[in-house]
Parts: sequence; structure tokens; C-alpha cells
Amino acid sequence: EPEVTQTPSHQVTQMGQEVILRCVPISNHLYFYWYRQILGQKVEFLVSFYNNEISEKSEIFDDQFSVERPDGSNFTLKIRSTKLEDSAMYFCASTGQGKNTEAFFGQGTRLTVV
Amino acid sequence: AQSVAQPEDQVKVAEGNPLTVKCTYSVSGNPYLFWYVQYPNRGLQFLLKYITGDNLVKGSYGFEAEFNKSQTSFHLKKPSALVSDSALYFCAVSPGDTGRRALTFGSGTRLQVQP
Repeated sequence: EPEVTQTPSHQVTQMGQEVILRCVPISNHLYFYWYRQILGQKVEFLVSFYNNEISEKSEIFDDQFSVERPDGSNFTLKIRSTKLEDSAMYFCASTGQGKNTEAFFGQGTRLTVV
Repeated sequence: AQSVAQPEDQVKVAEGNPLTVKCTYSVSGNPYLFWYVQYPNRGLQFLLKYITGDNLVKGSYGFEAEFNKSQTSFHLKKPSALVSDSALYFCAVSPGDTGRRALTFGSGTRLQVQP
């Protein structure tokens, strides 16, 4: 069964450092997403990406965040200058063409900012 | 703005008994509704969805959910719970009438099935 893969599974970084979280979406999917889940809280939407541009973003997705599809398979989330409150589980997801298709999620990257 | 409420932080049932995990939503227009399950240290796994049509939808692992438009609810059910169903369950909604696809999640309900 096809799956979304994320690396690394756990990342520890110093406050103020840049981090890049990586995702390989399902190969024939066209829409890509990042969500985050702060410990003990709900899953929150960050950004969606289609046709090499951002299609939606939330208020959380401010100027310190950026996304990129650097090649035909990877989808990355960059946090420019990490803050303690960025500590969370970050999930990548992808969906197919139809707007009623379900999102497939990766296993997540746990980001710890110290 | 859309929202999802899962009024119970935790649901406990005995193995073999029916289970219900509650979800209500608020969205403009027609909703697309989803249930996901999260096991420890795992990602979110899709269980089922309601897009249109029959109000009772069936999904993976024997789960089903009933869409009730008048009550704006989408409760998850299973006739006979298994210990292995113990996990964190999330209800999610997206606005079906628009091109927007972002999911809004509820806060999650932890299901504990006791042997």
C-alpha cells in the first residue's frame, strides 16, 4: 500500500536554528499539506501546496515558515528561526486530484526546540 | 470559519460492547467529514468519510458513521468493540462546496476498550 514517508522521525534543534522537515508524498498525488500537533492539543492545518505554489495557509504559517517541492518526489517544510513554541509533531499529508479524496498522512516528525 | 467538537476526551467500553465516539461540526455549505485514528507513535490513519449520498457510511475495521445534517453530527460507531480499537480518534471537516481542502480537526477522543 502506498504511503507518505517523513524524515527524520525526531529532530532536536537549538532555538534560533533553521530546520528542514522532509516528506515524500504518495507518488501520483497532487496536493500536499503540512499539519502540526502540539503535545496534548489538536491537529492544526499549516499549509497546502498544489502546482508548485501555496494554495492555502493558516495564520500559524507566518514568515518564518516556507515550503518547497525541490524535485519530483520531495516536499519540505522549512522553519527559518525556531522558537520553543515550534516544538510539536509535524505531519505531512497528500491527496489525489478529486476534491473529495481523503488525505493520507505520514507518521510525523517530532520537533523539539531546546 | 469551520470547527469540530468532540465533547468527550475519553470513552471507555468493554470488549464486545457497541461503541460511539461523538462529533459535531460547523461549516459553511455542505461538509466533507472524515474520521481518522492515531495509534501511539504513529501517524493519522483514515477510517471513513462522508461526502454525499447515504447518511450511513462504512469504513475500515468495522467502523461506521452516521451523518445527521439537522444535528450537524457525524458520530463514529462500531457494533462490537475490540481491545485493539483502543486509540485516539479524530473527527475532521472540510468545506465541500469550495476548492479549499484544509482539514479542521476536533480535539480527539481517546477510546479505551477494556478486556
